Amino acid sequence: QSALTQPASVSGSPRQSITISCSGSSSDVGGYNYVSWYQQHPGKAPKLMIYDVSDRPSGVPDRFSGSKSGNTASLTISGLQAEDEADYYCSSYSSSSTWVFGGGTKLTVL
Amino acid sequence: QVQLVESGGGVVQPGRSLRLSCAASGFTFSSYGMHWVRQAPGKGLEWVAFISYDRSNKYYADSVKGRLTISRDNSQNTLSLQMNSLRADDTAVYYCAKGRIPSPSGFDLWGRGTLVTVSS
Repeated sequence: QSALTQPASVSGSPRQSITISCSGSSSDVGGYNYVSWYQQHPGKAPKLMIYDVSDRPSGVPDRFSGSKSGNTASLTISGLQAEDEADYYCSSYSSSSTWVFGGGTKLTVL
Repeated sequence: QVQLVESGGGVVQPGRSLRLSCAASGFTFSSYGMHWVRQAPGKGLEWVAFISYDRSNKYYADSVKGRLTISRDNSQNTLSLQMNSLRADDTAVYYCAKGRIPSPSGFDLWGRGTLVTVSS
């Protein structure tokens, strides 16, 4: 049950696009289309932003999109806004019916 | 109102026990698998445990196996986490989270969390 690998931090200017990567293995990210992404503002509970690699829950702006290639998933945020500044976590269903999170990425909007 | 509300956190000495609860409302609790996820102070999220909608399946992270036990009462819309032999590295905010159906991908509803501090 090793954590997925995410960059510690990314940054971008308003209206730009950024991408956060999430690397795993064939036992998790690469083996299932069950990757999800979460946004967490300081002192708040996480919020689901993407599930099943690329689907958005109702109410999540279409500026948020997800994809996967091999053992690496990605979250792209286009048209960055100040309120997007937060921590982002990826998660994947894994073998042995467990779940694993990434270490988290701090997004700074410059 | 669709929500999850955790309770039961507090300060506990190493080696002692604590029981967390999560009250669900606004959705058909008995239809969904449920999870516990924790977050140590200043750290990332860690998945802890899962219980299926009918209690037939329970899964745990290796770090808590044998010490933490997940359970649920569908008649009371309540999820629980019995925590035994607590260690300092169990210190964290504990969130309950609702799973999705039919896919195992995504925790789509979270509580606000309850803080557990293990310290002498």
